[in-house]
Amino acid sequence: KAGVTQTPRYLIKTRGQQVTLSCSPISGHRSVSWYQQTPGQGLQFLFEYFSETQRNKGNFPGRFSGRQFSNSRSEMNVSTLELGDSALYLCASSLATYTEAFFGQGTRLTVV
Amino acid sequence: EDKVVQSPLSLVVHEGDTVTLNCSYEVTNFRSLLWYKQEKKAPTFLFMLTSSGIEKKSGRLSSILDKKELFSILNITATQTGDSAVYLCAVQKYSGGGADGLTFGKGTHLIIQP
Repeated sequence: KAGVTQTPRYLIKTRGQQVTLSCSPISGHRSVSWYQQTPGQGLQFLFEYFSETQRNKGNFPGRFSGRQFSNSRSEMNVSTLELGDSALYLCASSLATYTEAFFGQGTRLTVV
Repeated sequence: EDKVVQSPLSLVVHEGDTVTLNCSYEVTNFRSLLWYKQEKKAPTFLFMLTSSGIEKKSGRLSSILDKKELFSILNITATQTGDSAVYLCAVQKYSGGGADGLTFGKGTHLIIQP
């Protein structure tokens, strides 16, 4: 059974640009959550999607957005990149609400 | 504000030792506590605990939750160098709009020396 797949694995962007990250959940999983991991703040929740609807959002600015498609694949977009957005972005999928979350390998974003 | 605190932040032991990692939490509408192992990038799921006092085991790893005292421990017996990793504790809450995101602790960086 394939795990959670995130693409790309690495990205280097310039300040002010925008970026789109992709996440394909485990087959059959309908919930996709996104997290940002930095050395200083640890893992922080960005948002969660279920059946194409954003159900919850963490405490991040509006430059961070996402969406989920009918096949449960999800994308995360960050506009007007700042140096502080450099981080490992992790996607997690769950079969349903309140079940265990399984993480992908992450996308390492570097903003220069 | 929700809080998840792990201790110790780092730990160095020798192969064969037994280690106990701690996680305490203060959250509203607690639903479950999860443990993950993170070696390079992807946190790997270990346990999900929802009920107090029921130990979950997987090989040399075990974990238990105390909902009265608001903490959990993760035990690793007969440690091996492959157990070296960051161990993350996370709490899930009940939410009217669907599951809230997990609130993570800072992790315990465990190093097993041969």
